[in-house]
Parts: sequence; structure tokens; C-alpha cells
Amino acid sequence: AQTVTQSQPEMSVQEAETVTLSCTYDTSENNYYLFWYKQPPSRQMILVIRQEAYKQQNATENRFSVNFQKAAKSFSLKISDSQLGDTAMYFCAFMKHEWGDDKIIFGKGTRLHILP
Amino acid sequence: DAGVTQSPTHLIKTRGQHVTLRCSPISGHKSVSWYQQVLGQGPQFIFQYYEKEERGRGNFPDRFSARQFPNYSSELNVNALLLGDSALYLCASSLFARTNTEAFFGQGTRLTVV
Repeated sequence: AQTVTQSQPEMSVQEAETVTLSCTYDTSENNYYLFWYKQPPSRQMILVIRQEAYKQQNATENRFSVNFQKAAKSFSLKISDSQLGDTAMYFCAFMKHEWGDDKIIFGKGTRLHILP
Repeated sequence: DAGVTQSPTHLIKTRGQHVTLRCSPISGHKSVSWYQQVLGQGPQFIFQYYEKEERGRGNFPDRFSARQFPNYSSELNVNALLLGDSALYLCASSLFARTNTEAFFGQGTRLTVV
């Protein structure tokens, strides 16, 4: 069975600073996807960034980037130049790379506060 | 284009009652999944449906059931409600294609059982 662990329940940083959210996972699969989702108070779960396990290059999306360490089963999210709108719950998530299996396994989340 | 829509947005039920939650996927999406998110936790997978067939089921009791209709919309049913069923229920839709893995989530239905 796959598990996703987020060890930081809550974090606060000043606006414009850089913050890193940690995530570790456990799986025996070799091909899979990893995601970071953002859930603001509106409850809408929004995909922030996606990493395919077979790709060694770390994914980036504007101010968001990941540090994917496959051997260590680590998948951290770095937010640069943080903005007030980044305040939200952030979930690390895992999905097998298997056609027919859309199940996403989520961590417990990290509540991120961006302070003005 | 409309995103994933869920109804109702909120509802309150009494223990022992039955509830039906509804989800309309993004146009063209044939896969619908349901998740339960208890306060302070990450979402937990309940069901996945594709082309009206159940493709996956999480570790939930038989009180939970779902179905998908020919237009790919879906219903989640929960019987004999317990206080512990109080949660945000999220629906996600996806294209269900080998090369497209993005799931789009609705805003959820907040269920409170009293």
C-alpha cells in the first residue's frame, strides 16, 4: 500500500519570502505520479504541480518548483516570492501510473500562512 | 467551460438518515471519483467510476454506494448516517487517458450529521 506523509502541520512565512513544504511517500511501484494540490478556504482543490516519477528533471510552474528525490522517496515543494494568495492548505499526493487507476492518495496536509 | 459541479453545497442530516450527493463532471470527462475529507485531514478515496462501471473502491463500509449515469454524472449515496460521516465530500473528474492524469475537483458538499 502507498502512503504519503507531510510532517509539517502548519507553517508561516512573510510575504515575498521563499518557503519549502516537505513530503515523503512510500511505495513499491516504479512508475507513478506525484502532485501538490492547494486547497484555499473556498475548498476548491487546485493542482499546483505534477511530477512523473520516470522523469529525473524536477517540475517547475512559475514560482512553484519541486525537489524530487526518487531514491529517498521525497517530494518537497518550494514556493518562491510567496504571495498572500498562496495562503491555503497544501496536500502532497500520489497516484500509480496505471491505466484504469485514478485513485489519488493524499497526505494530511500543511496549512501555510503568508503574512503581510 | 463549466468545471466540476457538485450539489448541494451544504446539508445537514440526522443520524440514521440517508443522503444523496450529486456530481457533474467537466464536459468530455468520463471518469468520476469521490473522496471524503474529514476536517483537518487529507481527502480519502471512496469510489472511482468510468463508463458507468466501478473501477475502484476505497476502504469504506457498504453503507456507501455510488453510480454513474449515461451522461457521466454521478451520485454518491450514504445510508444509515453516522456522526463520523460528517465531512466534505469531493468529486473529481478526469479524461481517463494514458497521457492525461489531471483530476479536476469540484468545490465539494459539506455534510453535517447531527
